[in-house]
Amino acid sequence: IAGITQAPTSQILAAGRRMTLRCTQDMRHNAMYWYRQDLGLGLRLIHYSNTAGTTGKGEVPDGYSVSRANTDDFPLTLASAVPSQTSVYFCASSDGLGAGELFFGEGSRLTVL
Amino acid sequence: QKEVEQNSGPLSVPEGAIASLNCTYSDRVSQSFFWYRQYSGKSPELIMSIYSNGDKEDGRFTAQLNKASQYVSLLIRDSQPSDSATYLCAAWGEYGGATNKLIFGTGTLLAVQP
Repeated sequence: IAGITQAPTSQILAAGRRMTLRCTQDMRHNAMYWYRQDLGLGLRLIHYSNTAGTTGKGEVPDGYSVSRANTDDFPLTLASAVPSQTSVYFCASSDGLGAGELFFGEGSRLTVL
Repeated sequence: QKEVEQNSGPLSVPEGAIASLNCTYSDRVSQSFFWYRQYSGKSPELIMSIYSNGDKEDGRFTAQLNKASQYVSLLIRDSQPSDSATYLCAAWGEYGGATNKLIFGTGTLLAVQP
């Protein structure tokens, strides 16, 4: 039972580089989300998707983009990484947007130097 | 008031005792509540969900919801050292006009002493 798979689990990146964090789920959930978790700030929503083909901005979307070409995949791209994007990133999914339980992937720890 | 608030702790209890974790919420969240457990360096793991007033029990865990007082709690009976983790309270809320964000409290760190 895989659930949600994220890759890479950890990455060190030079500032200015482009980076894509991958997320794949096998639960056939309609909704998917990207959160970042920072000490003292908790979990904050970056972007979300209600269904394949649609995405929306969360509370901290600047510097990030997402796409949802199909139900299973929801990659998060940092076009030009900055040190303030150093964080732990969690992909999550739920059966429906804004309803039911949220399930998380194992996280991707990103360090931007 | 924040949408979901928790005492950051740490809450220290002896092994075998009951640990009581509390969370208050505002009118800006929906009436579905969740408790997650997060071990250091790991992802949040769902423990309990509660949607109705009253108690919901699952093994050693009991979630309690009091809508009139706007609080939700998690009781852990017979606490074990393996229960030591950060516990996150969460509820669905709106952002940008849509209910699309599971809002998390900042978490309460629980330490169970052997």
